[in-house]
Amino acid sequence: EIVMTQSPATLSVSPGGGATLSCWASQTVTSNLAWYQQKPGQAPRLLIYSTSTRATGIPARFSGSGSATEFTLTISSLQSEDSAVYYCQQYNNWPITFGQGTRLEIK
Amino acid sequence: QVQLVQSGAEVKDPGASVKVSCKTSGYTFTNYHLHWVRQAPGQGLEWMGIIDPSGGGTSYAQKFKGRVIMTRDTSTSIVYMEVSSLRSEDTAVYYCARSPRPRQQLVEFDPWGQGTLVTVSS
Repeated sequence: EIVMTQSPATLSVSPGGGATLSCWASQTVTSNLAWYQQKPGQAPRLLIYSTSTRATGIPARFSGSGSATEFTLTISSLQSEDSAVYYCQQYNNWPITFGQGTRLEIK
Repeated sequence: QVQLVQSGAEVKDPGASVKVSCKTSGYTFTNYHLHWVRQAPGQGLEWMGIIDPSGGGTSYAQKFKGRVIMTRDTSTSIVYMEVSSLRSEDTAVYYCARSPRPRQQLVEFDPWGQGTLVTVSS
């Protein structure tokens, strides 16, 4: 099983600033990496797939990069609505696995 | 538009079974695989398994084999996920989620159902 590790566990950023969230895979997942945003009481929402492709309706403030075992989600011009937990997911190998999440606080 | 609507919250005794449904609409049911993911309170996301609505074929994460059964009803475009021998550790929100590309299994998930809270408590 591929283990996904996210860092940091919690990130606190001021409105208007930027955030960089990291995700590492225990072995290569090529480019088969997705990012999700989850707000309290809601289902996860797809942000990025194939490492860097934004899902429908996702603003350009969200961008993904990386390859193989190291990946990054970058969020610019942070807004209060971006407060959420962000998960990375690999879908290169079975079983599909998720990182433990990064909690992003805007304050 | 594509929608996944799940059944309501359940409270079960330890040792019992629960069956959660995921009603789909807005697309051709048999063309897209469906996954189940669970999330224990305050915890992360855990993939449970996948079902091919076309032929009914399934694949489960190792830890759920023998205790989880996924089925589908093509006449109503509903998929089901049943967990047996429930224990307190199974208390979680259970989500169904669709593969966004037809006939592909190893893909990202989009969209997701709203989630079903299953509470296991005596």
